[in-house]
Amino acid sequence: EVQLVESGGGLVQPGGSLRLSCAASGFTFSNYWMHWVRQAPGKGLVWVSRINSDGSSTSYADSVKGRFTISRDNAKNTLYLQMNSLRAEDTAVYYCARSLTAYDYWGQGTLVTVSS
Amino acid sequence: EIVLTQSPDFQSVTPKEKVTITCRASQSIGSSLHWYQQKPDQSPKLLIKYASQSISGVPSRFSGSGSGTDFTLTINSLEAEDAAAYYCHQSSSLPFTFGPGTKVDIK
Repeated sequence: EVQLVESGGGLVQPGGSLRLSCAASGFTFSNYWMHWVRQAPGKGLVWVSRINSDGSSTSYADSVKGRFTISRDNAKNTLYLQMNSLRAEDTAVYYCARSLTAYDYWGQGTLVTVSS
Repeated sequence: EIVLTQSPDFQSVTPKEKVTITCRASQSIGSSLHWYQQKPDQSPKLLIKYASQSISGVPSRFSGSGSGTDFTLTINSLEAEDAAAYYCHQSSSLPFTFGPGTKVDIK
């Protein structure tokens, strides 16, 4: 069974940092591109970042470029999102998603709250 | 950036009724359009990929059509469990984008 389990969310002050993790199981993690998608409370879905299967290529939404870094450890079957210089508008549930262009599996999400 | 618009924003529907949700892209995206269902406090779930391709395990009452800039998600004979928000998503070009969502409520 395919499973994606996010962790690392929490309350952080503006300007602070957090690292999210997404533990994958039930499939060959190293074969898939992976994405982060976020959803602010009561709002819609927003694409954040993606990484190719071997980690050599990454892309970011303009709103997080220069502040967030996506990475992966295929030996540990884990996807990461390092988030620096956090702002109030980064408050959201962050989902990792497996991609074959469409997102066929999603994690349960982890809530990041940026507030003083 | 490709902007996706959805209509309607909200629809209140009687069980067994047919629901049609449209998604329009600001430029041609071929068939790189996917549909998701999100129930309250749940993660999104893939319903349709590449505009019209069905997904294993998704009820056959869900279907999609369209190409280029205009796409449609159809729910035939709505069931109570279909109450949810529905989002379209384009993977034609970066940044990938989602539509604002259509909330379907059961009367």
